[in-house]
Amino acid sequence: DAMVIQNPRYQVTQFGKPVTLSCSQTLNHNVMYWYQQKSSQAPKLLFHYYDKDFNNEADTPDNFQSRRPNTSFCFLDIRSPGLGDAAMYLCATSREGTGNSNQPQHFGDGTRLSIL
Amino acid sequence: QKEVEQDPGPLSVPEGAIVSLNCTYSNSAFQYFMWYRQYSRKGPELLMYTYSSGNKEDGRFTAQVDKSSKYISLFIRDSQPSDSATYLCAMSAPQAGTALIFGKGTTLSVSS
Repeated sequence: DAMVIQNPRYQVTQFGKPVTLSCSQTLNHNVMYWYQQKSSQAPKLLFHYYDKDFNNEADTPDNFQSRRPNTSFCFLDIRSPGLGDAAMYLCATSREGTGNSNQPQHFGDGTRLSIL
Repeated sequence: QKEVEQDPGPLSVPEGAIVSLNCTYSNSAFQYFMWYRQYSRKGPELLMYTYSSGNKEDGRFTAQVDKSSKYISLFIRDSQPSDSATYLCAMSAPQAGTALIFGKGTTLSVSS
């Protein structure tokens, strides 16, 4: 089945130690998104790639960066994780809409990040 | 005022009940409206996707959008214990690649 796959499902890192989360997709969608979701809160968009074009949300901390080496893969890098970065990180994809349209986003199961 | 308001619940109903979940929003630019279901420790799963105002039905699920009132609803008929999850409304403006703005989610529990 075509899907969005996130690895690992659970990640534990130390305060200040860089960590990378990965996302792959078999949907061949050209738009990929990273969201942060804290407990009992709505997912919050961090950034997205429209093909190779990177789009950062205005309030995303500089600590968060992303790479998209090809259509299928996208990575979230947290350079110096703080305790406040403990959350579920969700990857989503959508295909480009035609004209002035927006296509639905399809989510992976997330990576739950814990900071020691 | 938040862009999207959703009552977090929890909402508890017996099996077979009709469930009504609602969101209100403030941004008149929103044109696309979605409902996602999220089970514990899983990612959101797309349930319904609608454009502009109107109704859409898919099996036991019906989504309604009233843009004049800035109000959207999801109805679940003949609710089942497997429907127990958090339901998130989400909406976006037309341009491709724009952020989905989510409600906080309503936690639903269906008891057998």
